[in-house]
Amino acid sequence: QKEVEQDPGPLSVPEGAIVSLNCTYSNSAFQYFMWYRQYSRKGPELLMYTYSSGNKEDGRFTAQVDKSSKYISLFIRDSQPSDSATYLCAMTDGDYKLSFGAGTTVTVRA
Amino acid sequence: DGGITQSPKYLFRKEGQNVTLSCEQNLNHDAMYWYRQDPGQGLRLIYYSQIVNDFQKGDIAEGYSVSREKKESFPLTVTSAQKNPTAFYLCASSWRIGDSPLHFGNGTRLTVT
Repeated sequence: QKEVEQDPGPLSVPEGAIVSLNCTYSNSAFQYFMWYRQYSRKGPELLMYTYSSGNKEDGRFTAQVDKSSKYISLFIRDSQPSDSATYLCAMTDGDYKLSFGAGTTVTVRA
Repeated sequence: DGGITQSPKYLFRKEGQNVTLSCEQNLNHDAMYWYRQDPGQGLRLIYYSQIVNDFQKGDIAEGYSVSREKKESFPLTVTSAQKNPTAFYLCASSWRIGDSPLHFGNGTRLTVT
């Protein structure tokens, strides 16, 4: 079993829809959680960084962490074609290593 | 503009040749990393460095080597001992190891034939 599970999709939504992405994990020691956006042939770009459980909002993006269920989510409101990308979740227990999900590919149709 | 520069963007080599990938950062970060990305897999850590003149193996270090002679530079050498070198290589940096988020460069696509 992988340490971090992420549905690879692909996920296709119409412009303006809410995109919902999630990851589950097995290591209860994880306490720092990140979401990255990666465009084709580019490096990942940090979108959200959260510590412990709870919600964090930044513009159209909301990150949720539920440590009791070992489940994290990213919501994108009012999605735009420019949001079409692969979204990676990542997490760490504070040690040197980040554990990444395999990424979910999202297409927002105009 | 602060950031991480990886060069070249694309690299082609013949099997049996060593090749060095460049990574430079001007973010003044102490920690630097090399990851490998293959289709359908999460990023896998090759090497990381907390400070100058110190580096540690990650999960898939076999067939790779690094150096950290300057704070801003962390080159990766892919040696002929690496069995499947064709991949997308990503360099990253952070303020410190552990709870600090990583910032990535735009990667080098290495193709070995």
